Amino acid sequence: AQKITQTQPGMFVQEKEAVTLDCTYDTSDQSYGLFWYKQPSSGEMIFLIYQGSYDEQNATEGRYSLNFQKARKSANLVISASQLGDSAMYFCAMRGGTGGGNKLTFGTGTQLKVEL
Amino acid sequence: DADVTQTPRNRITKTGKRIMLECSQTKGHDRMYWYRQDPGLGLRLIYYSFDVKDINKGEISDGYSVSRQAQAKFSLSLESAIPNQTALYFCATSDPEAGPYEQYFGPGTRLTVT
Repeated sequence: AQKITQTQPGMFVQEKEAVTLDCTYDTSDQSYGLFWYKQPSSGEMIFLIYQGSYDEQNATEGRYSLNFQKARKSANLVISASQLGDSAMYFCAMRGGTGGGNKLTFGTGTQLKVEL
Repeated sequence: DADVTQTPRNRITKTGKRIMLECSQTKGHDRMYWYRQDPGLGLRLIYYSFDVKDINKGEISDGYSVSRQAQAKFSLSLESAIPNQTALYFCATSDPEAGPYEQYFGPGTRLTVT
């Protein structure tokens, strides 16, 4: 069975600072994918970034980067130069290997608050 | 127009009522999913469908049923709603041919069972 653990229920960061949101995972699959989604207060799920288990380089998308440490089974999201609009709930998720139907297993989320 | 739409967006219903949540997509994806979100629990998979003839239970399917009427439509039914089914429900689609297998979510349906 797959499991995603997000141990930070809430985080605060000052505007323009960088913040790291933690995510650890557990799986017996050799091939898997890791995702981060943002959920603002309006409720929609917004895809941020993806890392494949065989990708050698850490994924980056603008101000978002994924710090992938395979041996530690961690996939932390780093947001650089935080903005007020980054205040939201952030979910880490994992897609399993072959036969998994692209199902995603989600963590419980981290509520990020960006302060002036 | 949105690629994945859900109707209704908000619904309040009474215990014991039957209710259907509908999802439509214009992305042409074969795979569709229903998730529910509860505070502090993240999203959990209810049902998923690979195509019109292939429907599978997720981790929390009890109390729910689904219908895949067409490639573009996937409905979730609560046969007899109960208060602990109060949640935010999301429909999603994906295309295994288009890496990285991102799922595209609808805007969500907020369901309250009184």
